[in-house]
Amino acid sequence: AQSVTQLGSHVSVSEGALVLLRCNYSSSVPPYLFWYVQYPNQGLQLLLKYTTGATLVKGINGFEAEFKKSETSFHLTKPSAHMSDAAEYFCAVTTSGTYKYIFGTGTRLKVLA
Amino acid sequence: EAGVTQFPSHSVIEKGQTVTLRCDPISGHDNLYWYRRVMGKEIKFLLHFVKESKQDESGMPNNRFLAERTGGTYSTLKVQPAELEDSGVYFCASSQVQGQGYTGELFFGEGSRLTVL
Repeated sequence: AQSVTQLGSHVSVSEGALVLLRCNYSSSVPPYLFWYVQYPNQGLQLLLKYTTGATLVKGINGFEAEFKKSETSFHLTKPSAHMSDAAEYFCAVTTSGTYKYIFGTGTRLKVLA
Repeated sequence: EAGVTQFPSHSVIEKGQTVTLRCDPISGHDNLYWYRRVMGKEIKFLLHFVKESKQDESGMPNNRFLAERTGGTYSTLKVQPAELEDSGVYFCASSQVQGQGYTGELFFGEGSRLTVL
């Protein structure tokens, strides 16, 4: 069975500071990993994904994540937070051949001026 | 290109009443999914359609929930009768078929918030 753990339901950072949102997964087969973002009153939007190949993946809006198999992690980072990054972020896992995502509980990011 | 659209965006009903949520997937997407997020918890899979066929409905909570996708286009999710614990946000998503161009990405709608009083 697969699972996802997002540490920290709420994270606050100052504008311009590093953003680090943590995601650990459990999977008995090679995982596909995703980060989605939900801005207020909007749907879930894909930020980035890892399927195979390069373990450091870059996404939209300056975000990136690194797949670390040994640590079963897929943490999301951004060097410098912007006010517009305030949203809820979801990590998800699935496997090749299935679209059935397992989501984490989400992390709400607050950016302080 | 239009994204996944859901209706209504918010519905407030009394316990015991019926509600029908609708989802229009991205044109050409054969795969359609329903997910639900209960307040403060993770987004959970409900079911998966491939065209008009239910591929996987293992996440449906009970028989008060009925999903249909007539003609393989839009889908409806009916809750009858609604209970308090059905409150949450119901997300619909769609995706293209596997094979050429497969990315594993789901395209989500904005969700339908259901409040059962």
